[in-house]
Amino acid sequence: RKEVEQDPGPFNVPEGATVAFNCTYSNSASQSFFWYRQDCRKEPKLLMSVYSSGNEDGRFTAQLNRASQYISLLIRDSKLSDSATYLCVVNMGVPVRAAGNKLTFGGGTRVLVKP
Amino acid sequence: GAGVSQSPSNKVTEKGKDVELRCDPISGHTALYWYRQRLGQGLEFLIYFQGNSAPDKSGLPSDRFSAERTGESVSTLTIQRTQQEDSAVYLCASSFRSGKYGYEQYFGPGTRLTVT
Repeated sequence: RKEVEQDPGPFNVPEGATVAFNCTYSNSASQSFFWYRQDCRKEPKLLMSVYSSGNEDGRFTAQLNRASQYISLLIRDSKLSDSATYLCVVNMGVPVRAAGNKLTFGGGTRVLVKP
Repeated sequence: GAGVSQSPSNKVTEKGKDVELRCDPISGHTALYWYRQRLGQGLEFLIYFQGNSAPDKSGLPSDRFSAERTGESVSTLTIQRTQQEDSAVYLCASSFRSGKYGYEQYFGPGTRLTVT
């Protein structure tokens, strides 16, 4: 089983619709969770950090379910510019006081928003 | 402010040659990471530097790969005797602790390496 698993998609979404997808992780001790967005032939860019109570940033909502070990991303009112690959990222280690720790990236979920 | 920068942006080399890739992290970021991404694939962790601690080299695929970092600044990734399977985009990221969730990594634009 992969440490971080995502449905590769693609999710074909009509413009204006809502799309949601999950990511499962294997290590129950994981502490930090993120969603990154990667456009074709570009570097990943941080979209959202995922907080334990779930959080919202504009049209994007992230949720964490520790009991079932998954995080989700929901995009409302999809725009053409939302077309990208969304990477689920998990810090598998215990919390450290240092500035960083190794993150594990999922393979990404491809989203295509169409007019 | 300035983000993570990498050079060169593109590198074409002949099989068997050595290459050196450079990463300048965001100023003040103490952690630095190297990843590899083959075409159409996910990110593959290579190595991680954290301050003055020993680097985590667990992702380096072979002894042809090595990396160094000078203090908390520039890092170089060296690939010796390049092979065609080394062709990929090499991404560098850096991070700085910010509150409880201080592992947010910020990526450079990558170096696209093509081994012919």
